[in-house]
Amino acid sequence: GESVGLHLPTLSVQEGDNSIINCAYSNSASDYFIWYKQESGKGPQFIIDIRSNMDKRQGQRVTVLLNKTVKHLSLQIAATQPGDSAVYFCAEGVGGYQKVTFGTGTKLQVIP
Amino acid sequence: DAGVTQSPTHLIKTRGQQVTLRCSPKSGHDTVSWYQQALGQGPQFIFQYYEEEERQRGNFPDRFSGHQFPNYSSELNVNALLLGDSALYLCASSLRDRNNYGYTFGSGTRLTVV
Repeated sequence: GESVGLHLPTLSVQEGDNSIINCAYSNSASDYFIWYKQESGKGPQFIIDIRSNMDKRQGQRVTVLLNKTVKHLSLQIAATQPGDSAVYFCAEGVGGYQKVTFGTGTKLQVIP
Repeated sequence: DAGVTQSPTHLIKTRGQQVTLRCSPKSGHDTVSWYQQALGQGPQFIFQYYEEEERQRGNFPDRFSGHQFPNYSSELNVNALLLGDSALYLCASSLRDRNNYGYTFGSGTRLTVV
């Protein structure tokens, strides 16, 4: 499949370590934030979301942190596995069923 | 339960031609959004269809148009293709609800304009 990460910033982590991927969002009116994972040749896959009235949300091996003061979003992946290697995008939305705006992605490389 | 289905998966067109891409949404979804993803970039919103009407549009020229059918499937049409239209075109379906942002993406159509 095609590569979606040719010009993206890259984060390299050892297998088993924790990964932190950061994102700065642009619209202070955004009330919903999503992290997507995109593997080569595939469309973006939902990982975890968070609403603006929260500052932390946890899923299975993933945690999203939201800092509205500085418009910053982060994705933490615990015990990173080779299958986590992909491009990760943050996205933001306003008001439900509206368009979702994607940020620039980060390519995560897991070193075995 | 099938997810979002897009066709074709790959397409090569000549500059100036027209192209039609197709999308079948996930079962139960009624809204279709189209995104363009250039190599190494994040997806860019083109437009969204609900109840067979264009509801929102991103910053794309009128050469990009679409349609939604009564069965919720959708088409993206691009006229007068430019080399810069080469990209991965993604379709995302969702259920129109004020509290729902749940997009399901297809695997996309890779369009190459030569």
